[in-house]
Amino acid sequence: DAGVTQSPTHLIKTRGQQVTLRCSPISGHKSVSWYQQVLGQGPQFIFQYYEKEERGRGNFPDRFSARQFPNYSSELNVNALLLGDSALYLCASSPTGSEQYFGPGTRLTVT
Amino acid sequence: LAKTTQPISMDSYEGQEVNITCSHNNIATNDYITWYQQFPSQGPRFIIQGYKTKVTNEVASLFIPADRKSSTLSLPRVSLSDTAVYYCLVGDLDYKLSFGAGTTVTVRA
Repeated sequence: DAGVTQSPTHLIKTRGQQVTLRCSPISGHKSVSWYQQVLGQGPQFIFQYYEKEERGRGNFPDRFSARQFPNYSSELNVNALLLGDSALYLCASSPTGSEQYFGPGTRLTVT
Repeated sequence: LAKTTQPISMDSYEGQEVNITCSHNNIATNDYITWYQQFPSQGPRFIIQGYKTKVTNEVASLFIPADRKSSTLSLPRVSLSDTAVYYCLVGDLDYKLSFGAGTTVTVRA
């Protein structure tokens, strides 16, 4: 079975731009979560979606938004990028929400 | 969410057993203890989860004393490929994983 896939692998954006990151969960998993990992720190929870509904949101500004599609894939959008948004963005899927399976991440660099 | 404290780093040699202790004095009744492993430029990987006493799987053991205020992840006979960051998480079985800084384990030949 394929694991969680994310695209793109790497991305370079300029301050003020907008970015969309994509995630495809493991087949059969209905829950997708997004995490931000800044270099040297552990991942920080951004969002979880379950059955296309937002089930939780972490302490991130409204510039961050996400959605889940009928096929359970998900997009994370970040508007008005700041230098501090540079990080590894991780997507995790789960059949229910507890044990989570992480993808390889998207490395976002904001210049 | 219960706060966790674990060592910043640990060094070991191939073939040795590595034990990482995590303190979680404010663990709640409904909380479970979960450990994840992360290699550079990869997402975290679930290792083991437990509530009390001892849990063992094919890669690790988790020891939890009766008061549940700490737990110890035990990695038997480590190899170079076990060099990674190990995270201790405490919480109920919900979706919002709360990661700390983790323990960087370095295995040397």
